[in-house]
This record gives sequence, C-alpha cells and structure tokens, in this order.
Amino acid sequence: GAVVSQHPSWVICKSGTSVKIECRSLDFQATTMFWYRQFPKQSLMLMATSNEGSKATYEQGVEKDKFLINHASLTLSTLTVTSAHPEDSSFYICSANGGGSETQYFGPGTRLLVL
Amino acid sequence: AQSVSQHNHHVILSEAASLELGCNYSYGGTVNLFWYVQYPGQHLQLLLKYFSGDPLVKGIKGFEAEFIKSKFSFNLRKPSVQWSDTAEYFCAVMISGGGADGLTFGKGTHLIIQP
Repeated sequence: GAVVSQHPSWVICKSGTSVKIECRSLDFQATTMFWYRQFPKQSLMLMATSNEGSKATYEQGVEKDKFLINHASLTLSTLTVTSAHPEDSSFYICSANGGGSETQYFGPGTRLLVL
Repeated sequence: AQSVSQHNHHVILSEAASLELGCNYSYGGTVNLFWYVQYPGQHLQLLLKYFSGDPLVKGIKGFEAEFIKSKFSFNLRKPSVQWSDTAEYFCAVMISGGGADGLTFGKGTHLIIQP
C-alpha cells in the first residue's frame, strides 16, 4: 500500500518551453501532496504544499508563477514548470499523505533537463 | 524554522560492522522524526518514524533509531550492516500535528558497505 507514482520519470526540453509533471497516489486518497526539488548530491528542498481543491502554498523563494501546481483530485497533483530554463534542471520529487496519517510516501521522482 | 543536521556526509564500513548515523534537529516544540533511505536508482523509502511513545523505534531491515529529546537527536543504528545497505540515508523532521506541513530534510549520508 501507499504507492505514489510520477510521470514522466525523465524529460528533456528546450529552454522556454513548459513541462508538466504528474504525481498520483495509486492506492490511497492524498489529503495533501508535496513537491520537493533535489539538486545533485544535496538534500530535498520543499517547494510547495498542495491540498485538493485549494491553492498551493509555496515555500519562500519559490516562484509560484513559474512552478504552477494543480491538485485537481485526491489522487492527482501536477507541477508545471513554465518557460523552463537550464537552471530549472533538477530532480523533482512529489510525496503524499492521507487518511489522517502524517507519514509522507514518496514518488520515484522526475529528472528534468532543460537545454 | 526547523533545521536538520546530519553529521556524516560519507560513511564507509565493512560488512558486519555496526552502524550509527547521527541526526540532530533544531526546533523548540514537538516534532515527528523520520529516517528515509534511497537505494541507488530508487525512490525514497521510509525506514522508520517516531511520533510519540517509546523513544526507541524499530524499523525495517533491522534498523532502529533512538529519540533523545534532551539532545535533540534521532540517531539511526544497525548492529550489523550488509552490502545491500549501501544507499543514501536522510533524516527528516516535521512539526508534530503539522500533517499539512512538508518535511525538512538533512543533507543526507552516503553509506557504502564494502564486502
């Protein structure tokens, strides 16, 4: 149980294009979903928190207009990197919790490379 | 804001050696504590967690951790490591009751077990 998937697992795009990453909770309803970013050889940094049907809460320093988050249902959240630039290249990981649990379960991550 | 410090960035051990990875956090209130493991090429998996009760918690694969409130520590231990324990280990903290809050991660410890 408590499986979280992400799609795609990796993506290469040109600078200036937008990229959408999906995060799904497969066997539970996710009250809250989280988006993290991990730079090479560094830890995960929380970008934003999203609750179904409401606006995401962004961490300080994260541009909400650049990283659009939509939590359309209790099993799906999407992160759209708009007008991507090479410095947006990173590993993006989502997590989800639900059912009253405070334990987060992580997706496998999406590696983004912006050329 | 809370922060997490992991003392060792790289640890190299031989099989059957005992392991202890340090983790300290800074936050004045009640926290939930987690250890996650990331095997090469895989996503983050929960090893163990502490919410309340017995400060010595046991997790999967023979790992355990002890919460020492006075020291703000949550060190991970395993009496005898195996080659398959080679991975990246992350300590994380969340404010207790903050199910809608993201996790704050330490920088991780890269553990290499030599056969």
